[in-house]
Amino acid sequence: GNSVTQMEGPVTLSEEAFLTINCTYTATGYPSLFWYVQYPGEGLQLLLKATKADDKGSNKGFEATYRKETTSFHLEKGSVQVSDSAVYFCARKAAGNKLTFGGGTRVLVKP
Amino acid sequence: DTGVSQNPRHKITKRGQNVTFRCDPISEHNRLYWYRQTLGQGPEFLTYFQNEAQLEKSRLLSDRFSAERPKGSFSTLEIQRTEQGDSAMYLCASSSLVGTARDNQPQHFGDGTRLSIL
Repeated sequence: GNSVTQMEGPVTLSEEAFLTINCTYTATGYPSLFWYVQYPGEGLQLLLKATKADDKGSNKGFEATYRKETTSFHLEKGSVQVSDSAVYFCARKAAGNKLTFGGGTRVLVKP
Repeated sequence: DTGVSQNPRHKITKRGQNVTFRCDPISEHNRLYWYRQTLGQGPEFLTYFQNEAQLEKSRLLSDRFSAERPKGSFSTLEIQRTEQGDSAMYLCASSSLVGTARDNQPQHFGDGTRLSIL
């Protein structure tokens, strides 16, 4: 089936630290892959996306590369800020255009 | 640019009551989706519409749940005879069919309606 697995949180970091959140997906075809971010009390915001193998999505200093060989789409940021504290969701496009999400990873950045 | 709007933001009701939520998608977006998110989990797909047609429903959508999009614009999600397990955040999203990669247009989410069943 279609599933997404991402590392459990919470992930606690100091400001300016390097962030990695692992995400793997089941390999049914070549689905589009996404990272969404959810700030407290808000809905999901699209952070970045990649639509085919070896694509790199990037936005606001975050990057993720579509790795077909490892079925992964890990999220990285070189220097996090307090304002990056949020819950991050990895997602894949499934049949019928719906999204299948991972369980979310809470990130807390301390000053 | 107005985003996806959901009303109400919060709904508290007693078990057994009926509730209805509304979603107004981004103007001109043909596709509209409903998801449910429980605490500490990722959103789970419920159903989606292309224009006024409901094209897919999840097994999660029991017969107590019904969704409509009568004119292909706003949508409503109704839950009848609510149960404790219905407590969750209900998220609406919309996407566009315009563009060369129609099926890869990203979904834009509203802020959700949080339902609490007493």
